[in-house]
Amino acid sequence: QKEVEQNSGPLSVPEGAIASLNCTYSDRVSQSFFWYRQYSGKSPELIMSIYSNGDKEDGRFTAQLNKASQYVSLLIRDSQPSDSATYLCAVNRREGGGFKTIFGAGTRLFVKA
Amino acid sequence: DVKVTQSSRYLVKRTGEKVFLECVQDMDHENMFWYRQDPGLGLRLIYFSYDVKMKEKGDIPEGYSVSREKKERFSLILESASTNQTSMYLCASSLYGQFYNSPLHFGNGTRLTVT
Repeated sequence: QKEVEQNSGPLSVPEGAIASLNCTYSDRVSQSFFWYRQYSGKSPELIMSIYSNGDKEDGRFTAQLNKASQYVSLLIRDSQPSDSATYLCAVNRREGGGFKTIFGAGTRLFVKA
Repeated sequence: DVKVTQSSRYLVKRTGEKVFLECVQDMDHENMFWYRQDPGLGLRLIYFSYDVKMKEKGDIPEGYSVSREKKERFSLILESASTNQTSMYLCASSLYGQFYNSPLHFGNGTRLTVT
């Protein structure tokens, strides 16, 4: 079992719709969770971070965390063609004297105009 | 704004060569990371460091080593490059936290081709 699992997609939604991206993780002691967006040929950039159970909203983006179910999701409201990218779920886990960040393989999102 | 700079955008090396990938960050971050990214496999952690001269193995350290002599610089070394190390290499940095790290800031990546 992979430590962080995402549906690879592609996920295709029409412009203006809600895109829902899901992620599960295996290490129950993970403390912090992140969503990164990566455009083709570019480096990942942070969209959202979430540390406690519940919802966190930032503009058109909402991250949801359920630690009991080991589940993180990202909702994108009013999806735009510019949201077309790969979305990476990431989890922090303690390793040795520090924390390492483990990524899922990513979900490709296409927003059709 | 945090800047993470990787020394080369594209690199072509021959099998068996020793390869150095350099990464420098300018925000006094304690943590630095090296990932490789391959289609369908996502980002895989090679090594990370949470302090000068400290290093921890990631998920795929075989064939790689690292050096962190100064806080701002983290080097990835391919001791004897092989064709299966052809990949995009991404360096990242973050602040150290007692309970978790802050989000990562990535460099632009180095596309390494080993022939």
